[in-house]
Amino acid sequence: EAGVAQSPRYKIIEKRQSVAFWCNPISGHATLYWYQQILGQGPKLLIQFQNNGVVDDSQLPKDRFSAERLKGVDSTLKIQPAKLEDSAVYLCASSLSGNDQPQHFGDGTRLSIL
Amino acid sequence: GENVEQHPSTLSVQEGDSAVIKCTYSDSASNYFPWYKQELGKRPQLIIDIRSNVGEKKDQRIAVTLNKTAKHFSLHITETQPEDSAVYFCAASKGRGRRALTFGSGTRLQVQP
Repeated sequence: EAGVAQSPRYKIIEKRQSVAFWCNPISGHATLYWYQQILGQGPKLLIQFQNNGVVDDSQLPKDRFSAERLKGVDSTLKIQPAKLEDSAVYLCASSLSGNDQPQHFGDGTRLSIL
Repeated sequence: GENVEQHPSTLSVQEGDSAVIKCTYSDSASNYFPWYKQELGKRPQLIIDIRSNVGEKKDQRIAVTLNKTAKHFSLHITETQPEDSAVYFCAASKGRGRRALTFGSGTRLQVQP
């Protein structure tokens, strides 16, 4: 089966600019996650969707980050305006709903803020 | 919220030796504990997971043990090979159908040929 697809792979922007990332989960996976992975650290959850509804966005910096999954399939994550500390890899993951299903990750988008 | 601590941060072993990575978690309600392997510039890949109703699980050269009382779990790799070199992350989550993971800080494993 096709894995989790993300684009772009790399993005370089200046601080205060905006940027958007796209994720297409594995077909049939109802749950979608966005994680932020800062260099040398483990991934940190930003937001979790179940179909097109938000399950957990408690760690999303809502003054600058937004995410949507309008049709319950692919998702976009946006940062506006970007700060230097947003430099990280943004990972998307998906899983089947319920019943202890594992998460499968995409290759991520490496974001560099100048 | 959940807090997961992972040790050691770096681990160097000789090819053929065993490697052990340990994690502790804070939330006694956590019930799912996966381990991911991440090679440089690549996606985290699930290598093994364990649920709280099981104390140990093996898959070829990889095993995971869980001690719910002490709230810690460990990854054991036997007969290490150079291709095992990577960063390994433990994680924990709780709740049926709500599998958002809290990750440890990672262990960089280097297997010397």
